[in-house]
Amino acid sequence: EIVMTQSPATLSVSPGEGATLSCRASQSVSSNLAWYQQKPGQAPRLLIYAASTRATGLPARFSGSGSGTEFTLTISSLQSEDFAVYYCQQYNNWPYTFGQGTKLEIK
Amino acid sequence: QVQLQQSGPGLVKPSQTLSLTCAISGDSVSSNSAAWNWIRQSPSRGLEWLGRTYYRSKWFNDYAVSVRSRITINPDTSRNQFSLQLNSVTPEDTAVYYCARQDIEVAAHFDSWGQGTLVTVSS
Repeated sequence: EIVMTQSPATLSVSPGEGATLSCRASQSVSSNLAWYQQKPGQAPRLLIYAASTRATGLPARFSGSGSGTEFTLTISSLQSEDFAVYYCQQYNNWPYTFGQGTKLEIK
Repeated sequence: QVQLQQSGPGLVKPSQTLSLTCAISGDSVSSNSAAWNWIRQSPSRGLEWLGRTYYRSKWFNDYAVSVRSRITINPDTSRNQFSLQLNSVTPEDTAVYYCARQDIEVAAHFDSWGQGTLVTVSS
């Protein structure tokens, strides 16, 4: 099973600033990686798939990059609605696995 | 736009069967470009993929090893929905359960999710 490790566990950032979230796979997943955002009491919401393709309607301030084992989600100019928990997920190998999440909180 | 609506009980007794249903609108459970998944989330296990059903000239299922002996996912074409049955539950099965659509045609990410059902296993 591929283990997905996200860092940091918690990131404190001020509104208007940028944030960089990291995700590392225990073995290569090519570009078969997705990012999700989850707010309290809600289901995860797809943000990015294929490592760098934004989901329909996603603001351009969200961007994804990386391939192989190292991936990054970058959010520029944080808005109040962006403070949430973010998960990466690989779909290259069975079983599909998720990272443990990065909580993006207001500084 | 695909919407998934979950239903089912929130409390199940130990050793009994957990049963949930996910109704689909905006797509078909028989779609050749989608798969229909169940995922659960708990503080101890995080997000855990459980299994899926999909149609490619016939029906297929894939299940996580951790629950393979206890899980069944069935499509219901007459009602355009799919279901989850998890047998012999224990308190470790307490979690929020989600159904999710997987876009197989483009990639294999989960692009639509149900609202989630908190299932507590307790006597």
